[in-house]
Amino acid sequence: EAGVAQSPRYKIIEKRQSVAFWCNPISGHATLYWYQQILGQGPKLLIQFQNNGVVDDSQLPKDRFSAERLKGVDSTLKIQPAKLEDSAVYLCASSFFSGGLNTGELFFGEGSRLTVL
Amino acid sequence: AQKITQTQPGMFVQEKEAVTLDCTYDTSDPSYGLFWYKQPSSGEMIFLIYQGSYDQQNATEGRYSLNFQKARKSANLVISASQLGDSAMYFCAMREGDQAGTALIFGKGTTLSVSS
Repeated sequence: EAGVAQSPRYKIIEKRQSVAFWCNPISGHATLYWYQQILGQGPKLLIQFQNNGVVDDSQLPKDRFSAERLKGVDSTLKIQPAKLEDSAVYLCASSFFSGGLNTGELFFGEGSRLTVL
Repeated sequence: AQKITQTQPGMFVQEKEAVTLDCTYDTSDPSYGLFWYKQPSSGEMIFLIYQGSYDQQNATEGRYSLNFQKARKSANLVISASQLGDSAMYFCAMREGDQAGTALIFGKGTTLSVSS
């Protein structure tokens, strides 16, 4: 079974430029998450999708960050304009939503490391 | 208040020894799940073990076990017989509620270094 795919793995940009990250979840996983992980910290949820609808985007800085999951499969996270403090690893994860009780384990991609100069 | 607290920034252990990584959590929801993930230097988050709030027994997965003390709100990870490949960041995480498809809240992590 293919895992969560993310690209690009690495990106270096100047502040005020824009960047986009792409994520393709595990086939059949209805729920998709974007997390931001700043160096030395734990992942912080930016946005969660259920199919193509937003479940939680309360921690997404909406003045500069946007995300979409148009067909309920792959997703794009965009930052425009980037700030120095956006330097982080952006992790995409997916999970299987059965509607009932299961572990709810999240499956993560390898992440996209962003450096803003 | 922090939902997940990991107080050990770094831990050091010798090969073949056991090590305990601490995690305390805070929630008022009676139903929740606790997870441990491993993050090697490559960056990918690897799921290790899960404990549900209503599980009567501590979870075990191979060399990993979870010491679940509900009254103390702690969920420590025990790694037995450490190996060099266990060197990584370890994150404790919590899902509030009993529904899959709920986002996880992560702690700040503990760096484990295993030496020969």
